[in-house]
Amino acid sequence: GDSVTQMEGPVTLSEEAFLTINCTYTATGYPSLFWYVQYPGEGLQLLLKATKADDKGSNKGFEATYRKETTSFHLEKGSVQVSDSAVYFCALFHSGNTGKLIFGQGTTLQVKP
Amino acid sequence: SQTIHQWPATLVQPVGSPLSLECTVEGTSNPNLYWYRQAAGRGLQLLFYSVGIGQISSEVPQNLSASRPQDRQFILSSKKLLLSDSGFYLCAWSPDRVNEQFFGPGTRLTVL
Repeated sequence: GDSVTQMEGPVTLSEEAFLTINCTYTATGYPSLFWYVQYPGEGLQLLLKATKADDKGSNKGFEATYRKETTSFHLEKGSVQVSDSAVYFCALFHSGNTGKLIFGQGTTLQVKP
Repeated sequence: SQTIHQWPATLVQPVGSPLSLECTVEGTSNPNLYWYRQAAGRGLQLLFYSVGIGQISSEVPQNLSASRPQDRQFILSSKKLLLSDSGFYLCAWSPDRVNEQFFGPGTRLTVL
């Protein structure tokens, strides 16, 4: 079945460092891909999305490119801030999943000043 | 614009007691609705989803149940809580099956 695998956390970075959180997926066909962010004690917020191969989603300085050849959707940010500290979830949506999002396990990011 | 509400925000319940968590969506009609559970330090587990009033699909066998008495209301219930029911419960909605889901603020449930 469809699945999403994220890099293990936690990831600890200093402010202004470059961020990469790896995400790979297994799915048939052409799923839509998402990154969600969860700040402490809150629900999930959609960060960015891509719906077809080679699409680049971007928001708040974060970017991710849908790479079908490597089945990946890695999240990147050039310069992280303390306020970016949160849990990041990669997810895929496939029309064959009767409306379900398949989530990765989440990666905790901690940014230190 | 659309908004999603959940209540209560936090709840502490003894083992064996009943549970009722409520989720409502405003500003849209006939949304798809979802209940997720997030155990401490773990990812999200889809519990139930609904594509319309009275239509509930269960993803995992458990002592929880869900109901959708109105178009924009989704309720998660239990007759007798277990310790393992503790977690963060998230409700989500989507306008249709091909779009992203939008999440509520969540309910933190602690079963003692």
